[in-house]
Amino acid sequence: GALVYQYPRRTICKSGTSMRMECQAVGFQATSVAWYRQSPQKTFELIALSTVNSAIKYEQNFTQEKFPISHPNLSFSSMTVLNAYLEDRGLYLCGARGQANTGQLYFGEGSKLTVL
Amino acid sequence: GEQVEQLPSILRVQEGSSASINCSYEDSASNYFPWYKQEPGENPKLIIDIRSNMERKQIQELIVLLDKKAKRFSLHITDTQPGDSAMYFCAASARHTGYQNFYFGKGTSLTVIP
Repeated sequence: GALVYQYPRRTICKSGTSMRMECQAVGFQATSVAWYRQSPQKTFELIALSTVNSAIKYEQNFTQEKFPISHPNLSFSSMTVLNAYLEDRGLYLCGARGQANTGQLYFGEGSKLTVL
Repeated sequence: GEQVEQLPSILRVQEGSSASINCSYEDSASNYFPWYKQEPGENPKLIIDIRSNMERKQIQELIVLLDKKAKRFSLHITDTQPGDSAMYFCAASARHTGYQNFYFGKGTSLTVIP
């Protein structure tokens, strides 16, 4: 079946440092990967959508300069939170969608970022 | 981006009764509406979905309804059990040129009281 592995599960970093998280699709080809941040209040914020062979589309309030994303192939995507500060804390989730499936988004287990 | 409204944010029901969660969306291009259940410490998992060519779909105790004209869709859990207690998220997905995006509602915390 389709699985999405996401790591690291948890990171604690100092204010001003960066954190990189990775998302690996297993069992299907992830033609698009959406990165979300889930706040402590559980709200999902879409950060950006990365589609292979297309430009990465960032949502308002999120920029490539702050959240650079790499999606080099159909099984892997990574996102970095640069210069993390307190407001960046939360659970970062990648959701991968395959070309052949019915549109379902498979979520990774999330990378929890704590900023000190 | 798309706005997806989800209500209620908190829902408490007695075991055996029904629970209903309602969502609305803005983008008329939305054509796929999944529902996710998220248990504490877990990632969201798809529990049921509906496409824009359907008005109703049922999987066991889960029923989803879609009203495209009103841009509303809803999840109904019949005969709720304590194991149904979790966060539930609706999402709307629209296909645009070259990509298909997903936007989520803010979630409903469901508690089923034994």
